[in-house]
Amino acid sequence: GAGVSQTPSNKVTEKGKYVELRCDPISGHTALYWYRQSLGQGPEFLIYFQGTGAADDSGLPNDRFFAVRPEGSVSTLKIQRTERGDSAVYLCASSHGVGELFFGEGSRLTVL
Amino acid sequence: DAKTTQPNSMESNEEEPVHLPCNHSTISGTDYIHWYRQLPSQGPEYVIHGLTSNVNNRMASLAIAEDRKSSTLILHRATLRDAAVYYCILVSGGSNYKLTFGKGTLLTVNP
Repeated sequence: GAGVSQTPSNKVTEKGKYVELRCDPISGHTALYWYRQSLGQGPEFLIYFQGTGAADDSGLPNDRFFAVRPEGSVSTLKIQRTERGDSAVYLCASSHGVGELFFGEGSRLTVL
Repeated sequence: DAKTTQPNSMESNEEEPVHLPCNHSTISGTDYIHWYRQLPSQGPEYVIHGLTSNVNNRMASLAIAEDRKSSTLILHRATLRDAAVYYCILVSGGSNYKLTFGKGTLLTVNP
């Protein structure tokens, strides 16, 4: 498809486990973003990549959260020692430069 | 970050125009006004943006007050597919990537 692809669409895990969420941006988009959306709230910014480097990671809530984009395309959001409060929809978006953001459908994470 | 204020919810009838208001009294001169919408179980979708002048595209129109302290998103003929949460967001010219979403306006469209 031509849009932003996120996998898995749903992930259920147990408290304390490690989780990886993957994002495939639109081909050619240099900028990639991760947002998190809790139930009933608007999305919250987590991190922004320009190419391979994290240009702004000020939204990551703590050091259990980490994201990479080693080749400037696919990105992985990694969450260590998951907690119940991490349960949310994790949204990825990409853009061409400073243009509009194109969001994926999100990965719903449930921590039991 | 400059904040926006939107009604929690609005209701419209199919094929009628819808005016979604947004107040942003602390907007700065370099802030763009962006609108995104989020359909159920989907990620947000860009709708339109503007700086000072009114803007039109295939999805909607954006009317910006002369003092820029408020704006209105106009859907000319609402369809059932337009039922969504609409977010009005101020985007600083220097940090266009960092969208600050509020709770938005939940638009219900009645058939």
